[in-house]
Amino acid sequence: QQQVKQSPQSLIVQKGGISIINCAYENTAFDYFPWYQQFPGKGPALLIAIRPDVSEKKEGRFTISFNKSAKQFSLHIMDSQPGDSATYFCAATFSGNTGKLIFGQGTTLQVKP
Amino acid sequence: DVKVTQSSRYLVKRTGEKVFLECVQDMDHENMFWYRQDPGLGLRLIYFSYDVKMKEKGDIPEGYSVSREKKERFSLILESASTNQTSMYLCASSLLTEYSNQPQHFGDGTRLSIL
Repeated sequence: QQQVKQSPQSLIVQKGGISIINCAYENTAFDYFPWYQQFPGKGPALLIAIRPDVSEKKEGRFTISFNKSAKQFSLHIMDSQPGDSATYFCAATFSGNTGKLIFGQGTTLQVKP
Repeated sequence: DVKVTQSSRYLVKRTGEKVFLECVQDMDHENMFWYRQDPGLGLRLIYFSYDVKMKEKGDIPEGYSVSREKKERFSLILESASTNQTSMYLCASSLLTEYSNQPQHFGDGTRLSIL
């Protein structure tokens, strides 16, 4: 119930293409879904986040799509660039969870020039 | 700017040694976390602290302990290091509020090898 399942584990995309990473959850109490981006040799950093009362959130080339009924959410990276090559983690939490996040397994994205 | 500093980037220790990993944050955050990161397993929470001297077990606490004597510092202790504890260790901090939208700020990790 506390798990967040993320796929694929790795992804290779050509420059200019669309990268899509998917996550699924079971706990309907989750009310906040952030995505973290981690470059090699660095710690993860918050990229974008969504609440379940909206179906989509866009920030630049990064979009989260949220499907509450299916308990799924996904990250779309439009016009993918080599500089987007990183590991991406989805996560979930709920108010009252004292700030703890439940992370997905991570996706390593490589964008080829 | 927000900063979480982990004392070592790379560390090599021997089986059976007691190992200390240190983490310091300069943001006056109440929450501090220790994770280990392994390929295909994501970020797994080892221990969590929401106040000085307070600690809570995460998903994989076996073989680890923690210490939080000051608000800004959170230490992870491997009581008797074993080879299966070879991993990347990440420290994070965040504000403690009633809301769920507080981001966690991570250090750059310590890559620990146990020989």
